[in-house]
Amino acid sequence: DTAVSQTPKYLVTQMGNDKSIKCEQNLGHDTMYWYKQDSKKFLKIMFSYNNKELIINETVPNRFSPKSPDKAHLNLHINSLELGDSAVYFCASSLFSGTATLAQYFGPGTRLLVL
Amino acid sequence: GENVEQHPSTLSVQEGDSAVIKCTYSDSASNYFPWYKQELGKRPQLIIDIRSNVGEKKDQRIAVTLNKTAKHFSLHITETQPEDSAVYFCAAKEGGSQGNLIFGKGTKLSVKP
Repeated sequence: DTAVSQTPKYLVTQMGNDKSIKCEQNLGHDTMYWYKQDSKKFLKIMFSYNNKELIINETVPNRFSPKSPDKAHLNLHINSLELGDSAVYFCASSLFSGTATLAQYFGPGTRLLVL
Repeated sequence: GENVEQHPSTLSVQEGDSAVIKCTYSDSASNYFPWYKQELGKRPQLIIDIRSNVGEKKDQRIAVTLNKTAKHFSLHITETQPEDSAVYFCAAKEGGSQGNLIFGKGTKLSVKP
């Protein structure tokens, strides 16, 4: 009954490969996010989706692409993986009212290691 | 854009003492300030949040204060326990309806029994 779930939990892959991380929330939220947490534990927003539309797109490499089949899911595709992509990727979700931001709730994280 | 500074980066206290973590922000239009606790290998968990129309909020041993004029907000944990040991992150929502949450760099709190 986890509110925000991600798969896989761990991902070990070779440089140059393409991989995807899946995220699902059952909170009825309409906005979902992807964050990257680097080795120094710094949390940085990568993308957010509201009602299946990208509303914020940080300056991340275009090798990263979010895909949202519906408002309960936001997947992250990464092409041509590089060593520097190694990090923990967190999905999060919230309700977006347009006037008041409500709390973001995080998934358990996906630990990506690129060799 | 918003810039959030968090201090200290590490904090060690004895069990039962209080702990205070401070953050400053730069965007005067920011209106939402959550605090997250992240235990080793776990997800960030929301522990308390405050909006710009409130100066202080308490939840049992945790309190947050906000000074909009000075653009700083603080987390106060009283009667600390070993299970409070974790990394704590402050964040500020950028101004505008679609603003990002900008996180501080975290404070590693250690509570010694």
